[in-house]
Amino acid sequence: GEDVEQSLFLSVREGDSSVINCTYTDSSSTYLYWYKQEPGAGLQLLTYIFSNMDMKQDQRLTVLLNKKDKHLSLRIADTQTGDSAIYFCAVNFSGGYNKLIFGAGTRLAVHP
Amino acid sequence: NAGVTQTPKFQVLKTGQSMTLQCAQDMNHNSMYWYRQDPGMGLRLIYYSASEGTTDKGEVPNGYNVSRLNKREFSLRLESAAPSQTSVYFCASSEYGGNSPLHFGNGTRLTVT
Repeated sequence: GEDVEQSLFLSVREGDSSVINCTYTDSSSTYLYWYKQEPGAGLQLLTYIFSNMDMKQDQRLTVLLNKKDKHLSLRIADTQTGDSAIYFCAVNFSGGYNKLIFGAGTRLAVHP
Repeated sequence: NAGVTQTPKFQVLKTGQSMTLQCAQDMNHNSMYWYRQDPGMGLRLIYYSASEGTTDKGEVPNGYNVSRLNKREFSLRLESAAPSQTSVYFCASSEYGGNSPLHFGNGTRLTVT
């Protein structure tokens, strides 16, 4: 079936890089997304990547896509305390009408 | 620029009561969605509306109904609330279906006792 999996928790030191990983099952997705959720708020679109790309960089964010292994990652360089949040991977399966399947979310904790 | 606005922000219901969650977007988006978020389960799609006048079931539609009142507004109704519907509900919109990004409201935290 359609599934998106993420590890639930990641702890990093301020200034280090964070890498959040996501794997998904068979997909004909065109876009793959990363969303950020801060406490008490909705999900905010961070970045997305086209399925025909391997990498996308946007300031401190780098998205890597390995279609063969069905693996997506989000790297945050120079992680700051303001980056502490839950990060969701989302994949559009089977081109169904915006049938986005979300992972369970990775809680990123940044400590001094 | 308000984006997606949801009301209320918090609600407590007794089992069997009914209520309607309201959602409005001011981005002239065609598609709107209702999700629920439960701990450790990510977001699950309840219903969506591809365009004004159409609605379709998502992954977990049982116990809910929706109305796409106009292009801006998409409401979610619980006819007879159950404790299993305790959750955080998010409304979202996108410019068009398929592969356009979703924009989310800030959520409604619902507790059913």
